[in-house]
Amino acid sequence: KAGVTQTPRYLIKTRGQQVTLSCSPISGHRSVSWYQQTPGQGLQFLFEYFSETQRNKGNFPGRFSGRQFSNSRSEMNVSTLELGDSALYLCASSHDQLTDTQYFGPGTRLTVL
Amino acid sequence: TQLLKQSPQFLSIQEGENLTVYCNSSSVFSSLQWYRQEPGEGPVLLVTVVTGGEVKKLKRLTFQFGDARKDSSLHITAAQPGDTGLYLCAGDSGYSTLTFGKGTMLLVSP
Repeated sequence: KAGVTQTPRYLIKTRGQQVTLSCSPISGHRSVSWYQQTPGQGLQFLFEYFSETQRNKGNFPGRFSGRQFSNSRSEMNVSTLELGDSALYLCASSHDQLTDTQYFGPGTRLTVL
Repeated sequence: TQLLKQSPQFLSIQEGENLTVYCNSSSVFSSLQWYRQEPGEGPVLLVTVVTGGEVKKLKRLTFQFGDARKDSSLHITAAQPGDTGLYLCAGDSGYSTLTFGKGTMLLVSP
């Protein structure tokens, strides 16, 4: 079974731009969660999608948004990038519940200049 | 906001040494997960503990969940360079999300 894949692996953007990150979950997994990881704040929950609906949301501004497609693939978008958005963005999939065993992708390293 | 504090933040030891890392909170969790993250990779689940006082062993790794389900520890016996990585704990508060600690970075030198 293929693992969680994320594209692209690395991105460099400038302030004010927007970015879209993609995540393909493990086949059969319906829950997809997104996390932001930084050295200072650690791993912080952004949101979770299940059956194309946002089921849970963390405490991030509205510039961070996401969606899930009928095949469970998910994208997250960050608009009006700020320097502080530089981070590793991780996607995780689980069978049904976020609190089930989560399988993480390798992440997308975003650098905002 | 439920917080999980991990200590120490960083640990550098020699191969063969034993170590313990801690994950503490003032809140009760219905379960707690431990992950290991290696450079350039996402976290990988090591174990989930559910019952207060539970002890689980995974080869040289021993995980314990506190009686009150507010804290947990991970003990590694005879550490090896392959144990190097960021160890993260994550608590399930029962609200369908996980709260992660900031992690303990472990470096095991040959």
